Amino acid sequence: QVQLVESGGGVVQPGRSLRLSCAASGFSFSAYAMHWVRRAPGKGLEWVAVISSAGSNTYYADSVKGRFTISRDNSKDTLYLQMNTLRAEDTAIYYCARDPRTMVRPYYFDSWGQGTLVTVSS
Amino acid sequence: EIVMTQSPGTLSVSPGERATLSCRASQSVNSNLAWYQEKPGQPPRLLINGGSTRATGIAARFSGSGSGTEFTLTISGLQSEDFAVYYCQQYNNWPITFGQGTRLDIK
Repeated sequence: QVQLVESGGGVVQPGRSLRLSCAASGFSFSAYAMHWVRRAPGKGLEWVAVISSAGSNTYYADSVKGRFTISRDNSKDTLYLQMNTLRAEDTAIYYCARDPRTMVRPYYFDSWGQGTLVTVSS
Repeated sequence: EIVMTQSPGTLSVSPGERATLSCRASQSVNSNLAWYQEKPGQPPRLLINGGSTRATGIAARFSGSGSGTEFTLTISGLQSEDFAVYYCQQYNNWPITFGQGTRLDIK
């Protein structure tokens, strides 16, 4: 079955960097666009970024544009989120989520990982 | 940005009864609306896409309706496992946005 497992979360100081990973299994990873979605403590879900199936196209929420970079390694069935210049407001559980299509277009998510917690604090 | 507003914030319903959850968009999203169920310690689970299409493996007691700016998720014959938080999500425009959620509690 489809499995998405995030890792790389932790506590980091403001202004520092962190890289999240999402290991995929149970499906043909290279055939699907992938997203990152986050939930800050006590708040709702916020979409963060998307990458096309081949990795050639990306799109970001304004709140992370210029600071976060989404990427993927289809040879390793792994999705990444490089987070730079982290802020307190980036504190959240970060989920990777599968898009049923290949392209970078708004769509829904048919599978989600369990999430990894990122805490930005001094 | 399209703002999604869900109501009520909390809904208390008895097992076996019907629950009706609402989601309103600040502008038309056509039928590009999904519903998710979330339980403690679990990620969101896709229930409905396209406003009314049940996702694979979702029980027939879950139904979605609406288009444009007004959407409804109806759960008929509530079972114990249905008590959870439900979110709507629009995917008509960037950025993708979610409602704040409706908590469905046991009455």
